[in-house]
Amino acid sequence: GAGVSQTPSNKVTEKGKYVELRCDPISGHTALYWYRQSLGQGPEFLIYFQGTGAADDSGLPNDRFFAVRPEGSVSTLKIQRTERGDSAVYLCASSFSGTGDTEAFFGQGTRLTVV
Amino acid sequence: GESVGLHLPTLSVQEGDNSIINCAYSNSASDYFIWYKQESGKGPQFIIDIRSNMDKRQGQRVTVLLNKTVKHLSLQIAATQPGDSAVYFCAEPYAYTGTASKLTFGTGTRLQVTL
Repeated sequence: GAGVSQTPSNKVTEKGKYVELRCDPISGHTALYWYRQSLGQGPEFLIYFQGTGAADDSGLPNDRFFAVRPEGSVSTLKIQRTERGDSAVYLCASSFSGTGDTEAFFGQGTRLTVV
Repeated sequence: GESVGLHLPTLSVQEGDNSIINCAYSNSASDYFIWYKQESGKGPQFIIDIRSNMDKRQGQRVTVLLNKTVKHLSLQIAATQPGDSAVYFCAEPYAYTGTASKLTFGTGTRLQVTL
């Protein structure tokens, strides 16, 4: 696609429910990143994929968060037993190779609200 | 990663004036910095980057200055336009990760352009 696409744009869920957030990166980009942005803050790194594998998941806050990228393209961020503190904008970014200083392109984000 | 922070949370500038957005960093070993612009409801967009072997880098209407002695960088926007209204972040890669796109962001400065 022309840019990084994230769906849905907005998601409202009840506390305790399971949610999936989808990221469709720029075609041909092997590196994919998930970030979380709380209101009034900068994005915080969650996880980085190189191809199909999670190269670095050190930013995932706990084991309720999980992400996959089974075919090296689309990625899904999964959150189990959602809590109100999970409310934030979840951003996805992709870059051509992930090595060196290749520019990362961000999607518009999914705004998750847990009520 | 080390913290990257900003001095001013909100900057109000008249259209046509120059804007200066500041950022302090704490890791003296940091060697690469990026400025991002984030408009409301959108993901961060790359503006300009600079390596530590440079003091200044210019783009179209934007200039980034790096002062390694005091660990400070600034983003200057010439002839500020209404379309420049956004939140601006400085960011740097986490050290020793092999990718420039695992980033640590500051809190951000909101630039408001008044007519």
